[in-house]
Amino acid sequence: GQQLNQSPQSMFIQEGEDVSMNCTSSSIFNTWLWYKQDPGEGPVLLIALYKAGELTSNGRLTAQFGITRKDSFLNISASIPSDVGIYFCAGQLGRSGGSNYKLTFGKGTLLTVNP
Amino acid sequence: GAVVSQHPSWVICKSGTSVKIECRSLDFQATTMFWYRQFPKQSLMLMATSNEGSKATYEQGVEKDKFLINHASLTLSTLTVTSAHPEDSSFYICSAATGGGLLNEQFFGPGTRLTVL
Repeated sequence: GQQLNQSPQSMFIQEGEDVSMNCTSSSIFNTWLWYKQDPGEGPVLLIALYKAGELTSNGRLTAQFGITRKDSFLNISASIPSDVGIYFCAGQLGRSGGSNYKLTFGKGTLLTVNP
Repeated sequence: GAVVSQHPSWVICKSGTSVKIECRSLDFQATTMFWYRQFPKQSLMLMATSNEGSKATYEQGVEKDKFLINHASLTLSTLTVTSAHPEDSSFYICSAATGGGLLNEQFFGPGTRLTVL
C-alpha cells in the first residue's frame, strides 16, 4: 500500500535536546496525525491536525499541518528518557466515511534518548 | 474513554491451524474497525476495513479467504487467520472508529503478537 516519506529513520539524542521529524506525501491529506508506539504496544495518538497551516501543541510536542497539505512536522522540545519510542505520522484523506477513514502511515522514526 | 482491547495479546500456534483474534471497543460503539499488520521494524500496513453488519473491504494483496473478518456488533470485530504459516507471524493491531461527524478518530488496540511455528 501507499506510504508516506518520513524522516529521519532514527535519531540518537541527549536528554534535554530538541527533536524534529517530518513527513511528506505525493498526495493531499485532509488530516495529519502523529502517533507514538512503544515496543509490543499499539500506537497512541499524540497530536491530530485538521486544517492546512494549523500549528498545534501538546505539552512539549508541537506539530504543524503543511500549507500544501502534503507534509507535516513534529517537534519535541527538551527531550526526556521516556520519549524513547517509534514515532509515526499518518495521513487521512477525508472525514466523510468509508475509505476516507483509512490511515496511511509513514515508516516511522526511532528515537533514542541518552540520559 | 475510547479504550480498545485485543485478545489474545500473544499466541503461538502450529503451521496449518487457524487463529482468531478479537478486537473490542470497551466504552464506545465502533461503526468501523480496521485491521493492520506490522512486521518487525516496519510500519503499520492496513489489511482491511470492516463495517458492522457488512462485508469487510480488503486492501490489495490481502487474501480475504485467508484473513476472515467478522464485525458482528458495534463493539466487536474478529480476525481469523486460517491455515496459518510461518510467514503469517506478525503483530496484528486493530483500531476502532466511531464514525460520523467531521472529526473522526481511530483508537488503536494494544496488538496481538502471532507466532506460527
